[in-house]
Amino acid sequence: RKEVEQDPGPFNVPEGATVAFNCTYSNSASQSFFWYRQDCRKEPKLLMSVYSSGNEDGRFTAQLNRASQYISLLIRDSKLSDSATYLCVVNINFNKFYFGSGTKLNVKP
Amino acid sequence: DAGITQSPRYKITETGRQVTLMCHQTWSHSYMFWYRQDLGHGLRLIYYSAAADITDKGEVPDGYVVSRSKTENFPLTLESATRSQTSVYFCASSRDTGGETQYFGPGTRLLVL
Repeated sequence: RKEVEQDPGPFNVPEGATVAFNCTYSNSASQSFFWYRQDCRKEPKLLMSVYSSGNEDGRFTAQLNRASQYISLLIRDSKLSDSATYLCVVNINFNKFYFGSGTKLNVKP
Repeated sequence: DAGITQSPRYKITETGRQVTLMCHQTWSHSYMFWYRQDLGHGLRLIYYSAAADITDKGEVPDGYVVSRSKTENFPLTLESATRSQTSVYFCASSRDTGGETQYFGPGTRLLVL
């Protein structure tokens, strides 16, 4: 069983749409959580950390549900530039990071 | 500010050859990581290092060797390359671990024939 599971998509949405991704993790001892963005054939880059109380950064909102062991990312008012693969990342024991396989988003005009 | 760099960016080798992938960071970050990325698996941690001369295994360490004699360098060696090691390899660094951001290098695309 994978430590982190994500729906691979692709999610095809029109510009301006709201889209949500979920991610589940298996280890209840997981300590910190992140969303990374990866453009085609590029390196991953941090999008946002995910805090227990939920957090927002502009059009992006991240939520954590420890009881159900899932993390979500909501993107409002999608832009063409949001097209990318979104990686859910879970940190266990401070030194080990587990990445989901990613969810691909295509925003279309 | 060079950040984190990897070399070579592309490499083709043959089964059984030794290959070393280089990673260099200019931030003096304590932690460095090596990942491989394959379709269907996402990024998987190979090895990480908490400081110079301190390394530990990740999720998929078999067939790989690392060293860290200097804080800024973290080379990854495939002692005897196999076709299953064809992948994209990313190096990353972070100032600390846990809640700290990881910064990734541009990746090395390795093909083992």
